[in-house]
Amino acid sequence: AAGVIQSPRHLIKEKRETATLKCYPIPRHDTVYWYQQGPGQDPQFLISFYEKMQSDKGSIPDRFSAQQFSDYHSELNMSSLELGDSALYFCASSSTLSDRSTDTQYFGPGTRLTVL
Amino acid sequence: AQKVTQAQTEISVVEKEDVTLDCVYETRDTTYYLFWYKQPPSGELVFLIRRNSFDEQNEISGRYSWNFQKSTSSFNFTITASQVVDSAVYFCALRETSGSRLTFGEGTQLTVNP
Repeated sequence: AAGVIQSPRHLIKEKRETATLKCYPIPRHDTVYWYQQGPGQDPQFLISFYEKMQSDKGSIPDRFSAQQFSDYHSELNMSSLELGDSALYFCASSSTLSDRSTDTQYFGPGTRLTVL
Repeated sequence: AQKVTQAQTEISVVEKEDVTLDCVYETRDTTYYLFWYKQPPSGELVFLIRRNSFDEQNEISGRYSWNFQKSTSSFNFTITASQVVDSAVYFCALRETSGSRLTFGEGTQLTVNP
């Protein structure tokens, strides 16, 4: 079965640079989520989109922005990168079908961002 | 606010032993959803099981089983006859109906030794 695709898988940037992470959800999934996982920590929710509209917002820095496009893929844009942004960034997707409350989130392999 | 606690930071067992991972949660919602995810050394997050708060029936799926106790706000996960490939970090997560985010516990590192 098709899974969530994230690109790139690894990214190395310098401080103050920008980065764009891409996420392609499972086909027919309409909701996309972004999470950040620091070393040795649990994943922290950043933001989510349902049918191209922001549906929930967590602890996402103002330097970060995200959107979901008409084909349901999503991009997380990160500017003025800091050393503390080094982490594993996960995208997840789900299908709400007729009941938004029962969707299970399936995660992609993650993008490992290293800021030097 | 929702919160998930996994008190066991690390567990080490010998292959074929049974192992139970503990999870305690806090929420003000009357309807919510609980999950277990596995994160092997390769890093991906793999969905294992989901439980709805309105269904307390405990189930077994292969070597996995879970014990959902609403009265004690616990959602424990058991692996029977553990295998070396079960070595991973296991995360318990909670989703309230009022939002779409998952709140994860701190994770339990399970090591299964041959």
